Parts: sequence; structure tokens; C-alpha cells
Amino acid sequence: DVKVTQSSRYLVKRTGEKVFLECVQDMDHENMFWYRQDPGLGLRLIYFSYDVKMKEKGDIPEGYSVSREKKERFSLILESASTNQTSMYLCASTPLPGRNEQFFGPGTRLTVL
Amino acid sequence: AQTVTQSQPEMSVQEAETVTLSCTYDTSESDYYLFWYKQPPSRQMILVIRQEAYKQQNATENRFSVNFQKAAKSFSLKISDSQLGDAAMYFCAYSIIQGAQKLVFGQGTRLTINP
Repeated sequence: DVKVTQSSRYLVKRTGEKVFLECVQDMDHENMFWYRQDPGLGLRLIYFSYDVKMKEKGDIPEGYSVSREKKERFSLILESASTNQTSMYLCASTPLPGRNEQFFGPGTRLTVL
Repeated sequence: AQTVTQSQPEMSVQEAETVTLSCTYDTSESDYYLFWYKQPPSRQMILVIRQEAYKQQNATENRFSVNFQKAAKSFSLKISDSQLGDAAMYFCAYSIIQGAQKLVFGQGTRLTINP
């Protein structure tokens, strides 16, 4: 079974803090994704990576950056957390070539105070 | 840009009954994938069913089936013999076949099963 894990289920941070969310997958998948999930908006793509050290912006990259130093690990970074970044963050991965099915982590619920 | 719309924020159904969740999408592509994902409360998002746009036959997975209307750009999910474990958020999603395999999601429908 594919396993995608995220470093925390719940996280509380202060405005202005630098926040790291980590995602690890154990199936040697090439593509990895970060989404944020908000009520009424569904999931929106923040960033994705199709290879080590390769990244592309998604639909809402402002205020975020990412890092992929190893194939299995994809980190989302909030350089200076703000209250409007309070959300559920979901990581996903998918192999190449594939049938585009994405495998999701359990999510991190981030609260920025 | 591709968009996916789920117009039903919430649905409810009696246990053992059938329910249909609606989804429409907009794209200029001719080949693509459509998905329904399920997110149970406090649990991981999982794939329910997938449809390739070039296939005319509607996909089925046990009690789950889709009604794919390509010309109308409609992709509804039918759940037969609803069970308590079907209670979840359901997301419709779209992906082009080539490229980075990004998913575009709808807003979600919260399904409640009444015992």
C-alpha cells in the first residue's frame, strides 16, 4: 500500500513565525503536491514537484515556498505565517507514468494566531 | 482554465437508499480523467472511482457508479444501498492526461447517512 505521511496532524503557530510542513511518501513517486483545503472552496493547489529539486507554482503560491531535496520528501514552507493561512494542508503523490490517481496524506490542520 | 463545480454543498440520504451527487466541469481538452474522492471525517482522502474521458462506458466500483455525459460536461456519482460508512465529504476532480497530472477539485459535497 502507498503510504503518504505528514509531520503533524495539528499545528498552532504565531503570526510571523516560519512554518515547515513535511510530507514523506514511501512508493518512489515522482510527482508530489501540496494543497490547502478550505470550506466551500475545495482543495486548491499551492505547489507541486515533478522531480527532485524541481518545483512549479500551483494556483495559490503566494506566501508559500517548497523544497524537495530528496525524492520521498516534499516540504511546504510558510516564510512568515499569517492568519489567512489558517487551513487544512494536504500532501499528495502520484507516480509517472500513471493514471493520475493521487495518494493523499492525512492532512495538517494549521492554526495561525 | 479548467473548472469543476459541485452545486450541492450538503446532501443526506436514508441508509440503504440511493443518492446521486452532481458535478459539472469546464474544459477545452478532449482527453482527460475525472475522479470522485471521498474524505471521511478525520480520515485520509481516498479515491472512489475514476473515469477516462475517451471511454464511453460509465465506470462502476461495487455500489458506486458514475453517469458521465461528455457533451454536457457532467459527471455525477451514484451511491446505491447507502451505508453509514459512506458518510463523508465527496470531491469531484479533473485532470488532463499529459503533463504534471495536477488535479482541479470541486467545492465538495458533505454526505450524511440517516440510520
